Amino acid sequence: AQSVTQLDSQVPVFEEAPVELRCNYSSSVSVYLFWYVQYPNQGLQLLLKYLSGSTLVESINGFEAEFNKSQTSFHLRKPSVHISDTAEYFCAVSARRDSGYALNFGKGTSLLVTP
Amino acid sequence: DTGVSQDPRHKITKRGQNVTFRCDPISEHNRLYWYRQTLGQGPEFLTYFQNEAQLEKSRLLSDRFSAERPKGSFSTLEIQRTEQGDSAMYLCASSLRQGGYNEQFFGPGTRLTVL
Repeated sequence: AQSVTQLDSQVPVFEEAPVELRCNYSSSVSVYLFWYVQYPNQGLQLLLKYLSGSTLVESINGFEAEFNKSQTSFHLRKPSVHISDTAEYFCAVSARRDSGYALNFGKGTSLLVTP
Repeated sequence: DTGVSQDPRHKITKRGQNVTFRCDPISEHNRLYWYRQTLGQGPEFLTYFQNEAQLEKSRLLSDRFSAERPKGSFSTLEIQRTEQGDSAMYLCASSLRQGGYNEQFFGPGTRLTVL
């Protein structure tokens, strides 16, 4: 089985400041890794994913995450946040060999960006 | 809108009543997933279908829960004899199986409140 730990339940940050949301996972098999975002009153949206290849993956809105196999981490970073980035962020993992690729989510990190 | 839709968006019921939720996936998607999200937690996998076949069920899916996807299109999730602990957001997601991992697209969810 796989599990995900998101180390921070809430991260307050000022606009234009950098941010890092931490995610560690546990698995006995190779995994795929994801970050999902949930804006207020909206559904979950895929932000970025690591499937294979380059360990650094980027989203279209400036977020990036780096897969670190030795530290079993997949931290999410953005060099300069906007008010509109305020949302709940979920890290998720699925086993590569899982026929259904069911997602195992962390508890989420609430990012609050203030002026 | 051709995304995943769920109905109803909100449901309030009394303990002991039965409830049924519906999910309409993206039209060409052959995989459909149900997740449950309680307050302050990340989504938890319940079950998934490939076409009309239910291929995996989580231990969270007690005997009071039943899911169907009779024609491989929409799906229903029924909870019998609801309990207060069933209060949660029920999320549906769909994906298109084509070899390796495929992105799961989430619906807006059905929020269940059991009084």
